[in-house]
Amino acid sequence: NAGVTQTPKFQVLKTGQSMTLQCAQDMNHNSMYWYRQDPGMGLRLIYYSASEGTTDKGEVPNGYNVSRLNKREFSLRLESAAPSQTSVYFCASRPRTSGAYEQYFGPGTRLTVT
Amino acid sequence: RKEVEQDPGPFNVPEGATVAFNCTYSNSASQSFFWYRQDCRKEPKLLMSVYSSGNEDGRFTAQLNRASQYISLLIRDSKLSDSATYLCVVLNSGYSTLTFGKGTMLLVSP
Repeated sequence: NAGVTQTPKFQVLKTGQSMTLQCAQDMNHNSMYWYRQDPGMGLRLIYYSASEGTTDKGEVPNGYNVSRLNKREFSLRLESAAPSQTSVYFCASRPRTSGAYEQYFGPGTRLTVT
Repeated sequence: RKEVEQDPGPFNVPEGATVAFNCTYSNSASQSFFWYRQDCRKEPKLLMSVYSSGNEDGRFTAQLNRASQYISLLIRDSKLSDSATYLCVVLNSGYSTLTFGKGTMLLVSP
């Protein structure tokens, strides 16, 4: 099993450009999450999808949209990138098993907006 | 009080030392807690879950004090490979999302 995979690994955008970050998991997990991590700020939740067909805002959703394409895939879109969105983006997933709340992370996408 | 608070460190210890990190959380209704490890420029990885008063896994012991709302992580016989940032994580009410502390950096030297 590959676990949680993310593409691309690195990306440089100009202000105003758009892009989609891709995330897929092969663990048959129900819930999926998008985080950003900035120096001194820790991991902050952008959006999550508790199950296929649902999405909810997290702590910092402004400037982002998400799509839960199917059970395996959860994408994050930046419609008009801003320098403040320069960050490392992590996708995570969580099994459905009752009582199992831990999340498993992908390797991350390092995004720079100039 | 911040939701999940950790001493950022760094904690500098020699190989073989015992080191402990504490973490405090603000939501007294929180039920589940975790410690994650994050290496430089890598993703966080689950180290331990803390579901009751605490648990032990080899050299690592996690303890939970609900009355004082803190969680601790004890690492015995530190190895060079233990050098990383340790994230304290709390399950939010609603059981869907986690809140992460900013992490404590550990540096183990020869």
